This record gives sequence, structure tokens and C-alpha cells, in this order.
Amino acid sequence: QITLKESGPTLVKPTQTLTLTCSFSGFSLSSNGEGVGWIRQPPGKALEWLALIYWDDDKRYSPSLNNRLTITKDTSKNQVVLTMANMDPVDTATYYCAHRDANNRGDYWGQGTLVTVSS
Amino acid sequence: DIQMTQSPSTLSASVGDRVTITCRASQSISSWLAWYQQKPGKAPKLLIYLASSLESGVPSRFSGSGSGTEFTLTISSLQPDDFASYYCQQYYSRWTFGQGTKVEIK
Repeated sequence: QITLKESGPTLVKPTQTLTLTCSFSGFSLSSNGEGVGWIRQPPGKALEWLALIYWDDDKRYSPSLNNRLTITKDTSKNQVVLTMANMDPVDTATYYCAHRDANNRGDYWGQGTLVTVSS
Repeated sequence: DIQMTQSPSTLSASVGDRVTITCRASQSISSWLAWYQQKPGKAPKLLIYLASSLESGVPSRFSGSGSGTEFTLTISSLQPDDFASYYCQQYYSRWTFGQGTKVEIK
């Protein structure tokens, strides 16, 4: 059974860098076709895709946030880390990680973690 | 990047109604489209993939159709558990989500 769980700070100050960790089980990011994505959702608003990392360490980023995002994986720990630089109050959102299967579907999601950006 | 336009943004319906939600892609995505259901405070749940394939465990009243740039999600007979928000997602190139449709009780 695949499970994912996001962790990180609940409150960050403007201009700070956010670091979120996705801890998962039930699959290996060293297996062909596997991947993990990050998605966020501001309160009352739509889902927004942020980044994807693949089993071969290929990475893809949202064009609108590309210069602020970094995604990495630690295969031995079954973790994926997303950093977002220069946080702003508009970045207040629930951040989700999701399993990306061999057909590029987001089939399993974490419960999400709410991050508030405020001074 | 590929843009997804979903309509309507809000839909008021009654239990038993047939409901249709539309999603349009800014370029052809073949059948690389998924539909998700999201309830307040919960993560999205995958309902449909490859435009028309039902995810395991999802009731058969949900169906999807379309290819290329035009797609629809249909709920044949709306049930109380179906009042939620629905999102389309293209996964032809990276991921992009539609703006969502909230299905409300009429």
C-alpha cells in the first residue's frame, strides 16, 4: 500500500525559504517509472502543480515558479524535499505531495500540510 | 505549457440529477486526462484516468469521455456523497489542473 506524508513548518516569514519533506512508503523512487510530485492549494482556491521528480533524477518545474523551486530525492530514506525560496503571503497554501506512477498519474496523495506566510 | 479550462466553476444540482462538467485543453493532450474529487479539508481523490478509465473502487455512476482537447466528467445520478469539488488534470506534459468545479446542493 502506498502512503505519503508531508512535513515542514506551519509558519514562515516573508522572504524566507520554505523546506517541505514528503516521506513515503509502498514504492521506491529508484524503480523505473516512479515519481513524486508537489501540488499546492491556497485556501478556497484551485490546485496548482509545482514540481515533479522522477526515478532517474529528472526534474520538472512549474514555469511560473521555476526560479524559486528546487526538488530533490533521498532514495535511501524514501523522501522527497521541496524548497521554495523568497516566500510571500500569497504562497500561503496547503502543500501536497503525490505519487506519480509509470503512466504519469497522480494516484496517491498525502494528507497535505498548511503553510502560512506571515510576519 | 498546457492550460486547462474547466466549466462551470459552480454547479447547483439535486440528488438524482445527471451532472456534466467540461474541461478543455489549450492543445491536444490525446487521452492523458484525469479527474479528481476533493472534499473540504481532504486531499484530492483520483476518479478517472486516461480520460475514461474508472479508478478501482470508484462507483460506476462516474464516467469520463473525450480526447484531444475536449473532455467531460459525468455523474449519472448524483448522490449525497458526491457534493464536492472536481478537478481535471492533464498529464500529457508535466501536470496542469483545471480551476475546479464545485457541485453544490440545489
